[in-house]
Amino acid sequence: DAKTTQPNSMESNEEEPVHLPCNHSTISGTDYIHWYRQLPSQGPEYVIHGLTSNVNNRMASLAIAEDRKSSTLILHRATLRDAAVYYCILRDVSGGGSNYKLTFGKGTLLTVNP
Amino acid sequence: DVKVTQSSRYLVKRTGEKVFLECVQDMDHENMFWYRQDPGLGLRLIYFSYDVKMKEKGDIPEGYSVSREKKERFSLILESASTNQTSMYLCASSLYSRANYGYTFGSGTRLTVV
Repeated sequence: DAKTTQPNSMESNEEEPVHLPCNHSTISGTDYIHWYRQLPSQGPEYVIHGLTSNVNNRMASLAIAEDRKSSTLILHRATLRDAAVYYCILRDVSGGGSNYKLTFGKGTLLTVNP
Repeated sequence: DVKVTQSSRYLVKRTGEKVFLECVQDMDHENMFWYRQDPGLGLRLIYFSYDVKMKEKGDIPEGYSVSREKKERFSLILESASTNQTSMYLCASSLYSRANYGYTFGSGTRLTVV
């Protein structure tokens, strides 16, 4: 499986934008980039995913580098409720059922200061 | 809202007991997964299933088995619970036919084996 690299932790202030980076230099053409987050004492929650183009939804934006070797999750205005561990995961969709599993890394612990 | 429901939030069992963790989803998803999460080790995949009565081992299947008799229900079985199986257990589901679809996780079961 292609791997991702994320900083262990990041800090932000409330109401400021947050840019969470992810490196995936060995990404293949059939890998989608997924982001999940895990709030304290809860299961992970899907945030966003993309393949080549930048993506926006109500939770966040995903900016994907032109060579696809890195991506950035953007929270436009951080709130205290955004404090969580954020996971960047590559998901290969080229194969059968076993390729549909998610492999989680350590993620980035985001702290939001009031 | 779509849901993945895990039968217990907290569970305490004795060493050697047979333990059943139940997970039910109401989204008609084909894929279902069991993960465990431990401090410093992140989320690790135990077993998954992409159809009724089908199962596939994940990264750490030893000491566990699973059952999927109905599409909506996926059970994790600890045949003889041991203290090193004390952990947070997370169930998830996703659509089979849309491999770039997000996962939905349950809230988790915190199991303590004494």
